[in-house]
Amino acid sequence: GDSVTQMEGPVTLSEEAFLTINCTYTATGYPSLFWYVQYPGEGLQLLLKATKADDKGSNKGFEATYRKETTSFHLEKGSVQVSDSAVYFCALRSQGGKLIFGQGTELSVKP
Amino acid sequence: DSGVTQTPKHLITATGQRVTLRCSPRSGDLSVYWYQQSLDQGLQFLIQYYNGEERAKGNILERFSAQQFPDLHSELNLSSLELGDSALYFCASSVLASGGGKGTGELFFGEGSRLTVL
Repeated sequence: GDSVTQMEGPVTLSEEAFLTINCTYTATGYPSLFWYVQYPGEGLQLLLKATKADDKGSNKGFEATYRKETTSFHLEKGSVQVSDSAVYFCALRSQGGKLIFGQGTELSVKP
Repeated sequence: DSGVTQTPKHLITATGQRVTLRCSPRSGDLSVYWYQQSLDQGLQFLIQYYNGEERAKGNILERFSAQQFPDLHSELNLSSLELGDSALYFCASSVLASGGGKGTGELFFGEGSRLTVL
C-alpha cells in the first residue's frame, strides 16, 4: 500500500541555519504530495503542495520539489527562525482522497 | 482558522466508558476524515465519509464507529475505552469525494480533540 517515510527527528538547528527534512514515498502512480505543519497545541496546517512531477511547492520560505525519479519530496528552507519550531508532516494523497502521512519530524530552532 | 470545528477540545474519562467526538466540516465540504494521532503510531487514518456515506476505512477498531449526518457534521464514537485509546483525534474535511482528480486533494484539519483515558 501507499506509504510515506520521513527522516527521524528531533532536528535541532540554530536560527538562520539551513533546513532539510527528507521525505520519500511509495505509491501507485503519481499522487499529489503535501507538507503539513503542526505548531504546539494546534491542528495541522497545509504548508505547501505539489500535484505533479517536477512541480515545486513553496510557502513562507519553505520549498519542496516533486521528484518522481527518486520518489521524494524533501522540505527545505534557507534560513530558519525560532517561529518555525513545529512538527512537520509529509503526506501523499491516496485512493479515495485520504492523506497518508509520514511519522512527522520535530524541528526545534534555537536563538 | 481552517473552518473545521471539533468538540470537545479536551476529554478525560475512565476505561470502559464511551465518548462521542463531534466535527463540523468547512462550509461546502462534503467529505469528512477522522485521524488518530498518538506518540507511538503517528497520524493514522481511521475513516472517511462523503455526503453521509462511508467511503473508506483505515485502521479503525471495531469498538469505534462514526457517522455523517444530513447537515454534514460527523461524530466519532469510541466505546469500551482502553488506556491505549488516549490520543489526539483530528477531523479533516475536503470538497472531494474520491480520487476523481478535482482540485489538489488538500484536507483542512480541525484543532483536534484530546482524549485521555484513565
